[in-house]
Amino acid sequence: DTAVSQTPKYLVTQMGNDKSIKCEQNLGHDTMYWYKQDSKKFLKIMFSYNNKELIINETVPNRFSPKSPDKAHLNLHINSLELGDSAVYFCASSQGNPDSGNTIYFGEGSWLTVV
Amino acid sequence: GDSVTQMEGPVTLSEEACLTINCTYTATGYPSLFWYVQYPGEGLQLLLKATKADDKGSNKGFEATYRKETTSFHLEKGSVQVSDSAVYFCALSSGGGNKLTFGTGTQLKVEL
Repeated sequence: DTAVSQTPKYLVTQMGNDKSIKCEQNLGHDTMYWYKQDSKKFLKIMFSYNNKELIINETVPNRFSPKSPDKAHLNLHINSLELGDSAVYFCASSQGNPDSGNTIYFGEGSWLTVV
Repeated sequence: GDSVTQMEGPVTLSEEACLTINCTYTATGYPSLFWYVQYPGEGLQLLLKATKADDKGSNKGFEATYRKETTSFHLEKGSVQVSDSAVYFCALSSGGGNKLTFGTGTQLKVEL
């Protein structure tokens, strides 16, 4: 059983298109995240949701819009894709705040290539 | 703001060699510290963690000790295997930020 699952795993699309990445966690966690990993492997938080409420939006362009229909799902919609959006996007979840030592569990990543 | 500095890779070792990957941090408040590992083509997995000074996290032969006085959390393993080849990320969370701040990652390659 995959704890944090995201689809699709690979996505190749043209500039200007709109695409979505879906994420689901079956761990019963109350907090979900989106992270972006660039070509140099650097990982940066994009969004964090707690019980469907947005709590972190880390200066991400408006073209990126997260949606959390319930606390087990956090989807990422990207409008007007640009070449610079090519990256690996990781969904993650945790029960409680990691600053108390709670573990963040990551999905396997969605490899987005914009051509 | 919070930041994590890791030694640059890639690090190439022979099997059974000793490993140390340095990690130092700057944080507001009292952070929790983590090491994550990313195997090729996969997501991140928690390797170990520590939440207070002098705590030692350990897993799969890897260890790291939370050193508040030197603001460090170096990853060590006494004898690496080829299967340890991966990218290792040091990370912290502090001050109610509800997120992890990652270092740049260190690629480890272990050869026979």
